[in-house]
Amino acid sequence: EVQLVESGGDLVQPGGSLRLSCVASGFTFSSYAMSWVRQAPGKGLEWVSATSGHGVSTYYADSVKGRFTISRDNSKNTLYLQMNSLRAEDTAVYYCAKGGMTGKGFDPWGQGALVTVSS
Amino acid sequence: DIQMTQSPSSLSASVGDRVTITCRASQGIRNDLGWYQQKPGKVPKRLIYDASSLQSGVPSRFSGSGSGTEFTLTISSLQPEDFATYYCLQHNSYPLTFGGGTKVEIK
Repeated sequence: EVQLVESGGDLVQPGGSLRLSCVASGFTFSSYAMSWVRQAPGKGLEWVSATSGHGVSTYYADSVKGRFTISRDNSKNTLYLQMNSLRAEDTAVYYCAKGGMTGKGFDPWGQGALVTVSS
Repeated sequence: DIQMTQSPSSLSASVGDRVTITCRASQGIRNDLGWYQQKPGKVPKRLIYDASSLQSGVPSRFSGSGSGTEFTLTISSLQPEDFATYYCLQHNSYPLTFGGGTKVEIK
C-alpha cells in the first residue's frame, strides 16, 4: 500500500523558516515525481512545487519562487519542502502527493501538515 | 500559465440527480486533466485521470469527458456520500493549476 506521511508543520512567526518532510512507502520512490500542494483555511487547492524522480528538475509556483526549496533524499524515501521568509498568506495545510506533470496528476496524497504563520 | 475556470462554484442537488461540472482551460491541454473529490476535513482523492479514465475503486456513476479546452465531470445518480467539493487539475505543463472548486450540497 502506498503511504505518504508528512511532518514538520508548526506555528512560525512571519519572516521565519520551517522544513516539512514527507516519508514515502509502498512504491519505488526514486521512479516518481513528487509534489507539494497547499490549501489555505476555507480555500481551494494550490499546487506549490514539484521535483522529478532523480531530484534534478524542480518547479515552483510564482507565489513561492525564491522562498521555498523542494528536495528529496531517495536513499531515505523522503521529500522535503524548505520554507523561508514565511508570510501570513503561506498559512495552509501542506499536502505531499505522488506525481506531478508526469504521473497523471496526484495520487495518493498524504494526510497534510498544518503550517501557521502568525505573530 | 494555464488558467482553469471551473463552473459552477456551487450547486444544490438531490439524491438521484444527475450532476455536471465543467472546467475550461485557457489553452489546449490535450487530455491532461484530472478530477478530485474532497470531503470536509479530509484529504483530496483522485476520481478521474486523463480526462476520462476512472481511478481504480471509484464508483462507475462518476465519469469524465472532454479534450483540448473543455472538460466535464458527470455524476449520473448523486448519492449521499457524493456531497463534497470537486476540483479539476491540469497537469499538461508547469505551473500545474487547479480549478476553483465546485461545492455540491444537499437540496
